Amino acid sequence: KAGVTQTPRYLIKTRGQQVTLSCSPISGHRSVSWYQQTPGQGLQFLFEYFSETQRNKGNFPGRFSGRQFSNSRSEMNVSTLELGDSALYLCASSVLRGPSEQYFGPGTRLTVT
Amino acid sequence: KNEVEQSPQNLTAQEGEFITINCSYSVGISALHWLQQHPGGGIVSLFMLSSGKKKHGRLIATINIQEKHSSLHITASHPRDSAVYICAVNYGGSQGNLIFGKGTKLSVKP
Repeated sequence: KAGVTQTPRYLIKTRGQQVTLSCSPISGHRSVSWYQQTPGQGLQFLFEYFSETQRNKGNFPGRFSGRQFSNSRSEMNVSTLELGDSALYLCASSVLRGPSEQYFGPGTRLTVT
Repeated sequence: KNEVEQSPQNLTAQEGEFITINCSYSVGISALHWLQQHPGGGIVSLFMLSSGKKKHGRLIATINIQEKHSSLHITASHPRDSAVYICAVNYGGSQGNLIFGKGTKLSVKP
């Protein structure tokens, strides 16, 4: 089976712009979670999606949003980018909802200038 | 306050040494995960535990629910074990999202 894929892998944006990141889970996995990793804050939870519904959301401003499609692929969007949004954005998929082994994608490294 | 605490933050070992990384958490959990992250960012799940002990090759993970503590052991360490090891937990209920520790950066010297 192919692993979790994320596109694009690298992205450079300017403050004020918006960005959309994509995540394709492992075939058969219906749960997708998104995480942000920065040197200062480490890994932090953004969203959890299951069956096209957001099930849980982390403590991030409304500029961060996401969605999941019927084929379980997920996108996250960040509007009005700030310098502090520069980070590695990781998605992870799992078969089930709830505590289960998560399979991580390679991440999208976003740089905001 | 970080709800998941790891120690040590940094660890340097000689090849062949036995290594222990510790993780403690503050409230009841439904599962605990040990993850490995290599330079470049990729994260691999090593173990998911809710009780007892698991072993995979040279890696052993244990959890003590009463003491809210878990350990990751690496036997006969090798330079290829050099990575950041991250402890993460699922808190109660049906939430699948992980809460992470800050990670332990391990460097194994030949």
